[in-house]
Amino acid sequence: EIVLTQSPATLSLSPGERATLSCRASQSVSSYLAWYQQKRGQAPRLLIYDASSRATGVPARFSASGSGTDFTLTISSLEPEDFAVYYCQQRSNWPRAFGQGTKVEIK
Amino acid sequence: EVQVLESGGGLVQPGGSLRLSCAASGFTFSSFAMSWVRQAPGKGLEWVSGISGSGGSTYYADSVKGRFTISRDNSKNLLHVQMIGLRAEDTAVYYCVRDAVPGCYWGQGTLVTVSA
Repeated sequence: EIVLTQSPATLSLSPGERATLSCRASQSVSSYLAWYQQKRGQAPRLLIYDASSRATGVPARFSASGSGTDFTLTISSLEPEDFAVYYCQQRSNWPRAFGQGTKVEIK
Repeated sequence: EVQVLESGGGLVQPGGSLRLSCAASGFTFSSFAMSWVRQAPGKGLEWVSGISGSGGSTYYADSVKGRFTISRDNSKNLLHVQMIGLRAEDTAVYYCVRDAVPGCYWGQGTLVTVSA
C-alpha cells in the first residue's frame, strides 16, 4: 500500500506570494498523481492530474511537476480564493491513497 | 450534465449497519470506476473503497476491510456501500466519486454519525 506524505502541514503566506507544496510517495507512482483543492464546506475540486496536467478551468497560476516519488504543486501568485486545503492522491493503483493535506492560510 | 448524488446517511449506534447509495446520471455509468471517499469532521480525505466499471473488481482501505462492501447496479446507475460493525471513527461525510481523471466528479456527500 502506497503512503503519501505532504509537507508542510500548513503554509502561511500573503496574497501575491508564491506557494510551493510537496507530496512524497512511499514508492513510485510514475506520473499517476493528482492534486485537489478543498474549500471549507465544499467537495474537493480536481486541479492537476497525471502529475502536471491542469484540469479544465484551472488557472495557469497553478502548476505541478514530478514523477516517481516526489511531486510539487506551485501556485505562482496567491489569489484570495486560493487559500484552502490541498491534497495529493496517487492513482497508480488501488487503494487510491490521499496525502494528509496542506493548508494554505493567510499570513 | 454529470451528477452523482449520495443518500442514506444518518445517525447509527456503534456496532450498527447502514447502506449508502449514490445515484449517477449524465454519463455511461458502467464505463467508469467509482469510489467512496470519506472525511471525518475537521480531518483530511480518506479513500474508503472502489469498484471497477463492470463491478468485477472491488478494493478497500484496510480500515474498512471486512466491514464495508461496495457494489453497483449498472442497470440502475447506482453505487452502494453496505457498512456493518460501525465504529465512532467511521463518523464522516461520505463522498461518491466518479473515479477518473480528468473527468473526476464528486457528490456533495452524506453525513454518517456513529454515536450512542
